[in-house]
Amino acid sequence: NAGVTQTPKFRILKIGQSMTLQCAQDMNHNYMYWYRQDPGMGLKLIYYSVGAGITDKGEVPNGYNVSRSTTEDFPLRLELAAPSQTSVYFCASGLGGDKGETQYFGPGTRLLVL
Amino acid sequence: GQNIDQPTEMTATEGAIVQINCTYQTSGFNGLFWYQQHAGEAPTFLSYNVLDGLEEKGRFSSFLSRSKGYSYLLLKELQMKDSASYLCAVRDSNYQLIWGAGTKLIIKP
Repeated sequence: NAGVTQTPKFRILKIGQSMTLQCAQDMNHNYMYWYRQDPGMGLKLIYYSVGAGITDKGEVPNGYNVSRSTTEDFPLRLELAAPSQTSVYFCASGLGGDKGETQYFGPGTRLLVL
Repeated sequence: GQNIDQPTEMTATEGAIVQINCTYQTSGFNGLFWYQQHAGEAPTFLSYNVLDGLEEKGRFSSFLSRSKGYSYLLLKELQMKDSASYLCAVRDSNYQLIWGAGTKLIIKP
Protein backbone atom coordinates (compact mmCIF):
# COMPACT_ATOMS: atom_id res chain seq x y z
CA ASN A 1 0.00 0.00 0.00
CA ALA A 2 1.19 3.49 -0.83
CA GLY A 3 -0.78 4.92 2.12
CA VAL A 4 -1.55 8.63 1.71
CA THR A 5 0.08 10.41 -1.20
CA GLN A 6 0.18 14.13 -1.91
CA THR A 7 1.27 16.17 -4.90
CA PRO A 8 3.04 18.48 -5.45
CA LYS A 9 5.72 18.38 -2.74
CA PHE A 10 6.49 22.06 -3.12
CA ARG A 11 4.95 24.98 -5.01
CA ILE A 12 5.45 28.72 -5.32
CA LEU A 13 2.36 30.76 -6.25
CA LYS A 14 1.87 34.40 -7.03
CA ILE A 15 -0.85 36.33 -5.23
CA GLY A 16 -4.19 35.73 -6.93
CA GLN A 17 -3.20 32.49 -8.66
CA SER A 18 -5.13 29.30 -8.08
CA MET A 19 -4.04 25.71 -7.65
CA THR A 20 -5.22 22.29 -6.54
CA LEU A 21 -3.39 20.20 -3.99
CA GLN A 22 -3.91 16.53 -4.70
CA CYS A 23 -4.40 13.83 -2.07
CA ALA A 24 -5.10 10.14 -2.51
CA GLN A 25 -5.26 7.14 -0.17
CA ASP A 26 -5.44 3.42 -0.89
CA MET A 27 -6.49 2.18 2.55
CA ASN A 28 -10.23 2.39 1.86
CA HIS A 29 -10.65 4.95 4.64
CA ASN A 30 -13.94 6.79 4.74
CA TYR A 31 -12.58 9.80 6.63
CA MET A 32 -10.15 12.23 5.03
CA TYR A 33 -8.79 15.53 6.31
CA TRP A 34 -6.88 18.58 5.18
CA TYR A 35 -4.69 20.41 7.70
CA ARG A 36 -2.33 23.33 7.51
CA GLN A 37 0.68 23.70 9.76
CA ASP A 38 2.33 27.07 10.24
CA PRO A 39 5.81 27.30 11.82
CA GLY A 40 5.69 26.70 15.58
CA MET A 41 1.94 26.11 15.49
CA GLY A 42 -0.29 23.10 15.81
CA LEU A 43 -2.19 21.56 12.95
CA LYS A 44 -5.34 23.42 11.96
CA LEU A 45 -8.20 21.55 10.29
CA ILE A 46 -9.30 23.14 6.99
CA TYR A 47 -11.87 20.69 5.68
CA TYR A 48 -12.79 17.09 6.24
CA SER A 49 -14.91 14.40 4.62
CA VAL A 50 -16.68 11.41 6.14
CA GLY A 51 -17.23 9.68 2.83
CA ALA A 52 -17.60 10.16 -0.90
CA GLY A 53 -19.90 13.06 -1.69
CA ILE A 54 -19.77 14.50 1.85
CA THR A 55 -17.53 17.36 2.97
CA ASP A 56 -17.59 19.76 5.88
CA LYS A 57 -15.70 22.80 7.12
CA GLY A 58 -13.06 22.63 9.78
CA GLU A 59 -11.56 25.40 11.88
CA VAL A 60 -9.99 27.48 9.05
CA PRO A 61 -11.91 26.91 5.77
CA ASN A 62 -11.85 30.45 4.32
CA GLY A 63 -10.03 30.65 0.99
CA TYR A 64 -10.25 26.92 0.31
CA ASN A 65 -12.61 24.45 -1.30
CA VAL A 66 -12.72 20.67 -1.45
CA SER A 67 -14.54 17.89 -3.23
CA ARG A 68 -14.81 14.16 -2.59
CA SER A 69 -16.10 12.37 -5.67
CA THR A 70 -14.43 9.05 -4.78
CA THR A 71 -13.33 7.32 -1.58
CA GLU A 72 -9.70 7.53 -2.67
CA ASP A 73 -9.29 11.21 -3.64
CA PHE A 74 -9.72 14.43 -1.69
CA PRO A 75 -8.31 17.46 -3.56
CA LEU A 76 -7.96 20.89 -1.93
CA ARG A 77 -8.50 23.96 -4.10
CA LEU A 78 -7.06 27.43 -3.50
CA GLU A 79 -8.91 29.91 -5.70
CA LEU A 80 -7.14 33.24 -5.06
CA ALA A 81 -3.84 32.61 -3.33
CA ALA A 82 -2.86 35.04 -0.56
CA PRO A 83 0.41 35.34 1.42
CA SER A 84 -1.49 34.18 4.52
CA GLN A 85 -1.89 30.79 2.83
CA THR A 86 1.85 30.19 2.89
CA SER A 87 2.07 27.02 4.96
CA VAL A 88 2.64 23.28 4.92
CA TYR A 89 -0.48 21.35 3.98
CA PHE A 90 -1.05 17.83 5.20
CA CYS A 91 -3.71 15.43 4.03
CA ALA A 92 -4.70 12.59 6.35
CA SER A 93 -7.09 9.67 6.34
CA GLY A 94 -8.55 7.29 8.91
CA LEU A 95 -11.49 5.22 9.98
CA GLY A 96 -12.70 8.21 11.98
CA GLY A 97 -15.75 8.60 14.16
CA ASP A 98 -15.73 6.83 17.48
CA LYS A 99 -13.17 4.27 16.46
CA GLY A 100 -9.80 4.37 18.17
CA GLU A 101 -8.00 4.28 14.87
CA THR A 102 -5.47 6.99 14.31
CA GLN A 103 -5.07 9.30 11.32
CA TYR A 104 -2.44 8.54 8.70
CA PHE A 105 -0.69 11.49 7.14
CA GLY A 106 0.67 12.18 3.70
CA PRO A 107 4.17 13.70 3.27
CA GLY A 108 2.85 17.25 2.95
CA THR A 109 2.84 20.04 0.37
CA ARG A 110 4.92 23.13 1.08
CA LEU A 111 3.26 26.20 -0.42
CA LEU A 112 4.81 29.63 -0.70
CA VAL A 113 2.66 32.53 -1.87
CA LEU A 114 4.55 35.63 -2.99
CA GLY B 1 -12.52 27.80 23.79
CA GLN B 2 -10.46 24.72 23.22
CA ASN B 3 -6.85 24.73 24.30
CA ILE B 4 -3.96 22.31 24.46
CA ASP B 5 -0.72 23.31 26.17
CA GLN B 6 2.69 21.73 25.80
CA PRO B 7 6.17 23.06 26.51
CA THR B 8 7.71 24.60 23.42
CA GLU B 9 11.10 22.93 23.70
CA MET B 10 12.93 20.44 25.89
CA THR B 11 16.51 19.18 25.95
CA ALA B 12 17.67 15.79 27.20
CA THR B 13 20.75 13.60 27.09
CA GLU B 14 21.17 10.43 25.06
CA GLY B 15 20.34 7.38 27.21
CA ALA B 16 18.28 9.38 29.69
CA ILE B 17 14.52 9.61 30.34
CA VAL B 18 12.32 12.57 29.44
CA GLN B 19 8.69 13.38 30.23
CA ILE B 20 6.67 15.67 27.95
CA ASN B 21 3.53 17.08 29.52
CA CYS B 22 0.26 18.06 27.89
CA THR B 23 -2.73 19.77 29.49
CA TYR B 24 -6.00 20.25 27.70
CA GLN B 25 -9.33 22.02 27.89
CA THR B 26 -11.69 20.83 25.18
CA SER B 27 -15.40 20.57 24.48
CA GLY B 28 -15.77 16.90 25.22
CA PHE B 29 -13.17 14.17 25.29
CA ASN B 30 -12.96 11.08 23.12
CA GLY B 31 -9.33 10.13 23.43
CA LEU B 32 -5.87 11.64 23.45
CA PHE B 33 -3.17 10.97 20.88
CA TRP B 34 0.58 11.51 20.78
CA TYR B 35 2.32 11.90 17.45
CA GLN B 36 5.98 12.22 16.54
CA GLN B 37 7.05 14.62 13.81
CA HIS B 38 10.61 14.80 12.52
CA ALA B 39 11.63 18.08 10.92
CA GLY B 40 10.22 18.42 7.42
CA GLU B 41 8.18 15.24 7.69
CA ALA B 42 4.59 14.25 8.41
CA PRO B 43 3.34 13.36 11.90
CA THR B 44 3.33 9.65 12.74
CA PHE B 45 1.21 8.00 15.41
CA LEU B 46 2.81 7.05 18.73
CA SER B 47 0.07 6.34 21.26
CA TYR B 48 -3.60 6.60 22.14
CA ASN B 49 -5.22 6.92 25.59
CA VAL B 50 -8.94 7.00 26.24
CA LEU B 51 -9.03 5.63 29.82
CA ASP B 52 -7.04 6.85 32.81
CA GLY B 53 -3.72 5.21 33.36
CA LEU B 54 -0.50 4.28 31.67
CA GLU B 55 -0.11 2.76 28.21
CA GLU B 56 3.31 1.28 27.54
CA LYS B 57 4.75 0.59 24.13
CA GLY B 58 8.43 -0.28 24.11
CA ARG B 59 10.57 2.72 25.07
CA PHE B 60 7.52 5.01 24.94
CA SER B 61 4.72 5.27 27.51
CA SER B 62 1.76 7.62 27.70
CA PHE B 63 -0.30 8.52 30.76
CA LEU B 64 -3.76 10.07 31.00
CA SER B 65 -5.74 11.66 33.82
CA ARG B 66 -9.12 12.79 32.49
CA SER B 67 -10.14 14.45 35.77
CA LYS B 68 -7.04 16.66 35.63
CA GLY B 69 -7.09 17.20 31.85
CA TYR B 70 -3.50 15.99 31.79
CA SER B 71 -1.31 13.60 29.88
CA TYR B 72 2.37 12.92 29.56
CA LEU B 73 4.58 11.07 27.13
CA LEU B 74 7.55 9.29 28.69
CA LEU B 75 10.53 8.41 26.54
CA LYS B 76 13.15 6.06 27.98
CA GLU B 77 16.68 5.19 26.86
CA LEU B 78 16.74 8.21 24.60
CA GLN B 79 18.39 7.85 21.22
CA MET B 80 19.56 10.57 18.87
CA LYS B 81 16.81 9.59 16.43
CA ASP B 82 14.24 10.62 19.06
CA SER B 83 15.09 14.26 18.29
CA ALA B 84 11.76 15.45 16.89
CA SER B 85 8.62 17.38 17.77
CA TYR B 86 6.00 15.58 19.83
CA LEU B 87 2.40 16.60 19.22
CA CYS B 88 -0.44 16.10 21.69
CA ALA B 89 -3.95 15.96 20.18
CA VAL B 90 -7.36 15.52 21.80
CA ARG B 91 -10.43 14.18 20.03
CA ASP B 92 -13.35 16.38 21.03
CA SER B 93 -17.09 15.79 21.24
CA ASN B 94 -17.36 16.06 17.43
CA TYR B 95 -14.60 13.46 17.04
CA GLN B 96 -12.29 16.09 15.57
CA LEU B 97 -8.66 16.28 16.63
CA ILE B 98 -7.56 19.45 18.41
CA TRP B 99 -3.80 19.79 18.22
CA GLY B 100 -1.21 21.29 20.51
CA ALA B 101 1.65 23.29 19.00
CA GLY B 102 4.10 20.49 19.73
CA THR B 103 7.19 20.10 21.90
CA LYS B 104 10.55 20.16 20.16
CA LEU B 105 12.81 17.61 21.84
CA ILE B 106 16.56 18.08 21.43
CA ILE B 107 18.78 15.13 22.31
CA LYS B 108 22.40 15.84 23.19
CA PRO B 109 25.16 13.20 23.17
